[in-house]
Amino acid sequence: SNVLTQPPSVSVAPGKTATITCGGDIVGTKSVHWYQQKPGQAPRLVIYYDTDRPSGIPKRFSGSSSGNTATLTISRVEAGDEADFYCQVWNSGGDAAVFGGGTKLTVL
Amino acid sequence: EVQLVESGGGMVQPGRSLRLSCAASGFTFDDFSMHWVRRAPGKGLEWVSGLSWNSGTIVYADSVKGRFTISRDNAKNSLYLQMNSLRPEDTAFYYCAKSFSSGWASFDYWGQGVLVTVSS
Repeated sequence: SNVLTQPPSVSVAPGKTATITCGGDIVGTKSVHWYQQKPGQAPRLVIYYDTDRPSGIPKRFSGSSSGNTATLTISRVEAGDEADFYCQVWNSGGDAAVFGGGTKLTVL
Repeated sequence: EVQLVESGGGMVQPGRSLRLSCAASGFTFDDFSMHWVRRAPGKGLEWVSGLSWNSGTIVYADSVKGRFTISRDNAKNSLYLQMNSLRPEDTAFYYCAKSFSSGWASFDYWGQGVLVTVSS
């Protein structure tokens, strides 16, 4: 299956660690990429190839993948991190990109 | 600096057509595959279509196959999306996105998006 499952919402207090998961049969066989989208803004790539961080993305953002679950971890969460986060893979046939349903991160 | 600037959005009646454009700058356009991704109001991101650096490989989401056509003009550093037989469910912000590589990879740069509204 090419479906990616994310929790609809995650809440975390400032300074704590946020963990957003992305599950699916295809995870572990394909590289997972993560995007952050703030209201009124374009999406931004924050993690690619499971664990790599683009230049300009704070080291507080990290990615991992194990079995059928990929995880985006945000350490020392700040109010400015509040956004929707999406995981993405290319399907098994390599002819369609698939996004997870998205997770709304709320900073308490 | 990489820049992607979309244009061509607007309001259109169901069944009509619209053509989106994306002007690219700040990178070697014909080295990378390019894509369109959309986000409908209250929903998440949905990939729409992509094409390889030389237009040799073109792929579409099932939801738009047969109605939308993606193309590029490398001489003009431009990406296009011809949208025919538009439906209300096509209402969304449409984003032009650059691939991380010449193949299918992550989308490392995005335009600011253009709104398409399909309504009678």
